[in-house]
Amino acid sequence: QLQLQESGPGLVKPSETLSLTCSVSGGSITSSDYYWAWIRQPPGKGLEWIGSVYYTGTSYYNPSLKRPVTVSEDTSKNQFSLTLSFVTAADTAVYYCARQVREFPHLGRLDFWGRGTLVTVSS
Amino acid sequence: EIVLTQSPGTLSLSPGERATLSCRASQSVDTSYLAWYQQKPGQAPRLLIHGASSRATGIPDRFSGTGSGTDFTLTISRLEPEDFAVYYCQQYHSSPGTFGQGTKVEIK
Repeated sequence: QLQLQESGPGLVKPSETLSLTCSVSGGSITSSDYYWAWIRQPPGKGLEWIGSVYYTGTSYYNPSLKRPVTVSEDTSKNQFSLTLSFVTAADTAVYYCARQVREFPHLGRLDFWGRGTLVTVSS
Repeated sequence: EIVLTQSPGTLSLSPGERATLSCRASQSVDTSYLAWYQQKPGQAPRLLIHGASSRATGIPDRFSGTGSGTDFTLTISRLEPEDFAVYYCQQYHSSPGTFGQGTKVEIK
């Protein structure tokens, strides 16, 4: 059974960098059938796709974030990661990692999700 | 960016009733690339429907999706107690993939 688990600091200071890791078990991130994605949800609000990575290392991002964001993979650990720079209070959210079915030429649906981790941006 | 508008914001119904949720897109979306998710409090979203009308693995047949172009519908034929939740539509026809703002189905 596929499982995804987010990990990382729950509190980040404004202007600093948010870094999260998603550990994948029960499946390989090197599968050519899937992308691996990050999605966030501010408290009481809706969902926003942040970015996705393919096993080749190719990444795709939401241009609305308008600041440095990186989604990368570590195939040796079967993990993928998110870094978001220059965070503000508006980046406070539950961050989810998810598996994204490759529906070429599109990124596809999100069929398995982690439980999510709350990241609060505050000094 | 394609904007998805869901209506109504809240749907108050009783168990056993039929729920009809709407998702309208600001531009035409290929039916192959429209999904619906269910989210319960404190949980991650769960994929219900993809390709506008295909149920995901393990989803009961009381959930059905229809629509094309800019208008899509999720129908729950007979509400079970576990169906009271927030529902989101998502398009992945064009990047960035976007979500609607959600419809809450609450117990009347």
